Amino acid sequence: KAGVTQTPRYLIKTRGQQVTLSCSPISGHRSVSWYQQTPGQGLQFLFEYFSETQRNKGNFPGRFSGRQFSNSRSEMNVSTLELGDSALYLCASSRDRGPNSPLHFGNGTRLTVT
Amino acid sequence: GENVEQHPSTLSVQEGDSAVIKCTYSDSASNYFPWYKQELGKRPQLIIDIRSNVGEKKDQRIAVTLNKTAKHFSLHITETQPEDSAVYFCAASLNSGYSTLTFGKGTMLLVSP
Repeated sequence: KAGVTQTPRYLIKTRGQQVTLSCSPISGHRSVSWYQQTPGQGLQFLFEYFSETQRNKGNFPGRFSGRQFSNSRSEMNVSTLELGDSALYLCASSRDRGPNSPLHFGNGTRLTVT
Repeated sequence: GENVEQHPSTLSVQEGDSAVIKCTYSDSASNYFPWYKQELGKRPQLIIDIRSNVGEKKDQRIAVTLNKTAKHFSLHITETQPEDSAVYFCAASLNSGYSTLTFGKGTMLLVSP
């Protein structure tokens, strides 16, 4: 079974631009979560989607948004990029939101903002 | 919100020794505690998890213990091997959604041959 797939693997953007990251969950997984990983702050929760609805949101500004499609694939968007948005963005999927559905992470998208 | 503290930040051991990583959490409502291993340049991978109705769980050389009263949980790795070298993250989750994890800052484990 294929794992969580994230595209692209690397992105370089300039301040003020916007970016869209894509995530395809493991087949059959309906919950998709996004995390930001930086050396200083570690892994921080961005948001979670299940059945095309945002279920939880982390403490990030409104420039960070996401959505989930009917096939469970998800995208996240960051508008008006800032230097501090440079990070590894990890997508994770789980079968559902229950106690026996651990998170499986993708390899991430490395975003560099210059 | 939930806060997870993880210690130590780095841990160096000799091959064959045991390694222990400790985490504390702030929200007594948290009830799910996974551990992830992240090798350099790779994705975090779940290695073991424990729920609040269980005090200890083992999987071969890895074990996790949970003390709900003290709000801390620990990862124990016995007979360490060089391939255990990685960054280990603990996390905690509220019942509202097991996908919403609050992570510790990570422990870099270095196992020397």
